[in-house]
Amino acid sequence: DIQMTQSPSSLSTSVGDRVTITCRASQSISSYLNWYQQKPGKAPKLLIYAASSLQSGVPSRFSGSGSGTNFTLTISSLQPEDFATYYCQQSYSAPFTFGPGTKVDIK
Amino acid sequence: QLQLQESGPGLVKPSETLSLTCTVSGGSISRNNYYWGWIRQPPGKGLEWIGSMYYSGSTYYNPSLQSRVTISVDTSKNQFSLKLSSVTAADTAMYYCARSVVVPAAFDYWGQGTLVTVSS
Repeated sequence: DIQMTQSPSSLSTSVGDRVTITCRASQSISSYLNWYQQKPGKAPKLLIYAASSLQSGVPSRFSGSGSGTNFTLTISSLQPEDFATYYCQQSYSAPFTFGPGTKVDIK
Repeated sequence: QLQLQESGPGLVKPSETLSLTCTVSGGSISRNNYYWGWIRQPPGKGLEWIGSMYYSGSTYYNPSLQSRVTISVDTSKNQFSLKLSSVTAADTAMYYCARSVVVPAAFDYWGQGTLVTVSS
C-alpha cells in the first residue's frame, strides 16, 4: 500500500494568513493526488484533484501543486469558513489511501 | 444536482453482517466513467477507503477488508450496497458512499454519512 503523510498535523492560524499544508507519498504517484476539506459532522468535500486542478465551485484562494512524492495545498488568504481538517488522498493505485489529516484552527 | 444518501441499521451486533445501501438521485448510476465507492471514518479518526465498483459490476476492494467486503449494484433502483461480515467494535465508524470519476478517481460527490456502531 502507498502510505501518505501530512505535515503539520495541526496548525493555529488567523483569518487572512497564508496556509501551506504538505503531503508526501511513500512512492511516486505522478499527479494522482487529491485534497479534501472536512468540517465537523460533515462529509469531506473535494477541493483539488490531480494535484493542481481546482474542483468546480471551490474558491480560487485554494491551490495545489506537486508531483511524484511531494505535494502542497495552499490557502492564499484564510477565511473564517476555512477552519477545518484537510486530507490528501492518492488515487494512483488501489487501495486508495488518505493522509492522516491536518487540522486548521483559530489562533 | 447529484445526491447520494446512505441508509441502513445504525447498530450491528459483533460477528454479524453490516449492510448499507446508497441511493443515488439526480443522475444515473449506469453512466460510463464513474466509480461508486464506500469510505469509512472511525470516530475522531481519519478516512479509510473500503472499496469501489463500476456499474457493470467490476469491484475493487481494500485488501485489509477484502475477505469480509462485498459491494454490489442494483441499476434498476439506482442504488449500490455494502456488506461487511464478521464485524467487531473496530468496524464502528461513519460510513460514507461517494462517486469518483474513473480517472483520476477523486471522490467528487459524497453522501452525508451514516454512523454504524458495533455493540451487543
